[in-house]
Amino acid sequence: KQEVTQIPAALSVPEGENLVLNCSFTDSAIYNLQWFRQDPGKGLTSLLLIQSSQREQTSGRLNASLDKSSGRSTLYIAASQPGDSATYLCAVRLSWGNMLTFGGGTRLMVKP
Amino acid sequence: NAGVTQTPKFQVLKTGQSMTLQCAQDMNHEYMSWYRQDPGMGLRLIHYSVGAGITDQGEVPNGYNVSRSTTEDFPHRLLSAAPSQTSVYFCASFSGTGLLSGNTIYFGEGSWLTVV
Repeated sequence: KQEVTQIPAALSVPEGENLVLNCSFTDSAIYNLQWFRQDPGKGLTSLLLIQSSQREQTSGRLNASLDKSSGRSTLYIAASQPGDSATYLCAVRLSWGNMLTFGGGTRLMVKP
Repeated sequence: NAGVTQTPKFQVLKTGQSMTLQCAQDMNHEYMSWYRQDPGMGLRLIHYSVGAGITDQGEVPNGYNVSRSTTEDFPHRLLSAAPSQTSVYFCASFSGTGLLSGNTIYFGEGSWLTVV
């Protein structure tokens, strides 16, 4: 059974700091990995999706990397802003058609 | 293009009552699913569907029922509500094809359910 772990569970940083969120998974035979953002009381918004054949994806200040062999992904946020405060979740899909397995999320607070 | 629409947003039920959470998507996605989100446990898959007429169980299916008579709709029914079913429920969909979409999964806004 695929298990996904996110560390840390919560993180508080001052504005402007670069930060890294970690995601690890137990089964390396994944189809893709996706990072989501969730604001309080809201649904999930997809940030970045990395296919199993890719090493990283970038969108603006966000960069996500994938190392399948070690079962790890990182989400790098550059020059953090208070508007980045949210919960960030990673999720993996094992094979075509299977649904996602989620990590518990990292709750990020960026202080002005 | 509305994306994934869930209703109701909030609901309070008494133990033993039944209700249906509605989910509709207008993106012609084959795959639809229902998750529940509980504090400290992330999202857990309840049921999913790979197309109209096909449904299957996820990680935590007990106490729930689903049907998929059309591509657009994936209603989710609580058969006899219990306090343990107090949670936030999310419907999600994605396309099984389309390289440009990257198979990104789209979520509804969530349904907050309290069982008393």
